[in-house]
Amino acid sequence: DTAVSQTPKYLVTQMGNDKSIKCEQNLGHDTMYWYKQDSKKFLKIMFSYNNKELIINETVPNRFSPKSPDKAHLNLHINSLELGDSAVYFCASSKQGALGGYTFGSGTRLTVV
Amino acid sequence: DQQVKQNSPSLSVQEGRISILNCDYTNSMFDYFLWYKKYPAEGPTFLISISSIKDKNEDGRFTVFLNKSAKHLSLHIVPSQPGDSAVYFCAGTDSGGSNYKLTFGKGTLLTVNP
Repeated sequence: DTAVSQTPKYLVTQMGNDKSIKCEQNLGHDTMYWYKQDSKKFLKIMFSYNNKELIINETVPNRFSPKSPDKAHLNLHINSLELGDSAVYFCASSKQGALGGYTFGSGTRLTVV
Repeated sequence: DQQVKQNSPSLSVQEGRISILNCDYTNSMFDYFLWYKKYPAEGPTFLISISSIKDKNEDGRFTVFLNKSAKHLSLHIVPSQPGDSAVYFCAGTDSGGSNYKLTFGKGTLLTVNP
């Protein structure tokens, strides 16, 4: 009964492909996030959804499209994958914004070849 | 534009001694700070936080100190244990603004040697 689960854990794909990463939380949290950890190890926010509504879109290319069918799910779809998209993507959720702390998923390592 | 800086990429400490992890921030709007711990192949887990109205917060072996004038915070672990070996991320946020966004540092890899 993992609190924040994301699938797949590893994803290797060719340039130009379209792929999706799924995220689900069973904590009853209202807010969900996608963070990207690049090769320089920075964890940077990409998107934040509160009750299915987009509240943060942090200058991410529009090839990245988040979708939140309900407040327990936040999926990330990436079109036309590029080499620079290779990174670890973390999903997270929180009850009261950032102040209560996030609960992170275990990450999806995306490798674009 | 690194708003949160962890200038030591790694730290090695003997078991039982104190570990001190440092973090500096540049964004004056940040008034709430959190530390996360990350093991390999896992997501970060929340460790401890501090509001800018305090200068110290303690939870068991973990204490966070905040020096607002210096825009500096530190995490102390006493005594350090081998299970504390992990990457530690410092993060800041503006609680009065969009408190849905955490800005993270690059992390410090702590190794506690038995």
